[in-house]
Amino acid sequence: KNEVEQSPQNLTAQEGEFITINCSYSVGISALHWLQQHPGGGIVSLFMLSSGKKKHGRLIATINIQEKHSSLHITASHPRDSAVYICAVRPYGGATNKLIFGTGTLLAVQP
Amino acid sequence: NAGVTQTPKFRVLKTGQSMTLLCAQDMNHEYMYWYRQDPGMGLRLIHYSVGEGTTAKGEVPDGYNVSRLKKQNFLLGLESAAPSQTSVYFCASSYGDGTEAFFGQGTRLTVV
Repeated sequence: KNEVEQSPQNLTAQEGEFITINCSYSVGISALHWLQQHPGGGIVSLFMLSSGKKKHGRLIATINIQEKHSSLHITASHPRDSAVYICAVRPYGGATNKLIFGTGTLLAVQP
Repeated sequence: NAGVTQTPKFRVLKTGQSMTLLCAQDMNHEYMYWYRQDPGMGLRLIHYSVGEGTTAKGEVPDGYNVSRLKKQNFLLGLESAAPSQTSVYFCASSYGDGTEAFFGQGTRLTVV
């Protein structure tokens, strides 16, 4: 079992829909990252959070440390949001900047 | 704003050949990392560096070597490429331990 599990693995949505991607992890962490990877492109950091909620534009990330769970929400989705979304956690006491990555959620937003 | 730049973007190697991937960052970051990304798996750390002149092994270091002679550059070398090293390689940098990481565009390497 992976230490970081994302669901769903694949998601297709219609433009304008509200989207939720989930990340569950099994280790104690000091921080959680959400990353975005466009097809054939590089990886961009969206959020780094250790508690509560963060918002940037149409993106919202929440984390529940007690339940070891985080969600990434996209409001009013748009075709340009189509990408792979990756969750990564930094375990407590881990080696320098050791991150454990999920396998990603492939999102396709159709016009 | 160049950020993190990787060269080359694509490369095909024959088994046994050697090559070096270059990562350059212009943000004065201390920490730099090399990851590989394979289908169905999360990114895995190959080697990392916490400052100029330092390197350390990550999760999957075998078959790779690295050097950090200058703060802005982090080189990943494959001395004798194997088909198992076919992957997409990502370089990243960060200001410090636990801070936001900035990634390059990736290098798609195929070993035949």
